[in-house]
Amino acid sequence: GAVVSQHPSWVICKSGTSVKIECRSLDFQATTMFWYRQFPKQSLMLMATSNEGSKATYEQGVEKDKFLINHASLTLSTLTVTSAHPEDSSFYICSARGLNAYEQYFGPGTRLTVT
Amino acid sequence: QKEVEQNSGPLSVPEGAIASLNCTYSDRVSQSFFWYRQYSGKSPELIMSIYSNGDKEDGRFTAQLNKASQYVSLLIRDSQPSDSATYLCAVNKGAQKLVFGQGTRLTINP
Repeated sequence: GAVVSQHPSWVICKSGTSVKIECRSLDFQATTMFWYRQFPKQSLMLMATSNEGSKATYEQGVEKDKFLINHASLTLSTLTVTSAHPEDSSFYICSARGLNAYEQYFGPGTRLTVT
Repeated sequence: QKEVEQNSGPLSVPEGAIASLNCTYSDRVSQSFFWYRQYSGKSPELIMSIYSNGDKEDGRFTAQLNKASQYVSLLIRDSQPSDSATYLCAVNKGAQKLVFGQGTRLTINP
């Protein structure tokens, strides 16, 4: 149980375009989803927390107008990177947590390259 | 002081031996503690959670928690080359967020 999927697994886009990443909980209802990014050889950096049906809460220093998060259902959250630039190239990973649970389960990640 | 601290390693352990990974945390009110394994280029995978003082065993893995000392550890018995990965200690902060340590890179030598 506790399977989280992400799509796409990798994406290459041109600078200035937008990219949408989907995160789905496949076998449980995710009341809370989290979005992280990770640069090579560094630890995870939490970008934002989203609760189903509510606006996301962004960590300090994360531009909410650049990283749009939508958590419209109990099984789906999306992250849209708007007007992407090469410095946005990174490994984006979502995680999901069920109601009254403490464990977070991670999706496989999306590797974004902006050229 | 970092909220969650781990020795970054690398930690080298011979195959078949016990690997011991340690983690300390600063927030005394933390209640939930997790160990994740992350292979290079992959996302983290939850391998253990622990909430009460003492030991919790699952197969070859044992998590140990000492809230008085603010210390969490992970023991891996009969280490295998496939256990070579970065191990992340995570602590629940507040109602939702996890705070991660920098991770310990473990190498099991055949």
